[in-house]
Amino acid sequence: GENVEQHPSTLSVQEGDSAVIKCTYSDSASNYFPWYKQELGKRPQLIIDIRSNVGEKKDQRIAVTLNKTAKHFSLHITETQPEDSAVYFCAVNTGFQKLVFGTGTRLLVSP
Amino acid sequence: EAGVVQSPRYKIIEKKQPVAFWCNPISGHNTLYWYLQNLGQGPELLIRYENEEAVDDSQLPKDRFSAERLKGVDSTLKIQPAELGDSAVYLCASSLSGQNTEAFFGQGTRLTVV
Repeated sequence: GENVEQHPSTLSVQEGDSAVIKCTYSDSASNYFPWYKQELGKRPQLIIDIRSNVGEKKDQRIAVTLNKTAKHFSLHITETQPEDSAVYFCAVNTGFQKLVFGTGTRLLVSP
Repeated sequence: EAGVVQSPRYKIIEKKQPVAFWCNPISGHNTLYWYLQNLGQGPELLIRYENEEAVDDSQLPKDRFSAERLKGVDSTLKIQPAELGDSAVYLCASSLSGQNTEAFFGQGTRLTVV
């Protein structure tokens, strides 16, 4: 089955810095790559996603890049703010709506 | 529009007791998922429904876990008997049918088995 690895497990940055979280996957047939943000005690919520026919997607301070050849994708957050502090999960859709999640990255943005 | 609704939010039971969780998906969402989330980990799929049919239950421990989605709307997940290791958050999610559609999560049920 699909194997999703996510790094780093924790990331501490100063407010205003950029943050980058990386995920690798194993199934070359995977075609959909969402990123979820989960605040403490709350539900995971989609923040951005990318499909396999696109190499990069941006939404304000958040961007995702995809390298299908190397089977990795990354989340980029620029100008980080304290409210960006949360756990971020990458996920991979192996097809037929089966989402496999990474192990999560705890992002801490210090003022 | 209401999102995915789960109940209860919290449940504490003694080991060997049964427990059930309920999920009401977003109206019109034919795909429903149950995920297990252990502390500090990502969600792990237990079962996925397309309408009332369980199309992927390969990760569901069938000796003690069962699920149903009668009429293709609400769903229940049951554990009988519960074990200490079942303590976790159980998340329900729903999405439109078809590939590559966003999954919307409920608030989850936090289960503690003592």
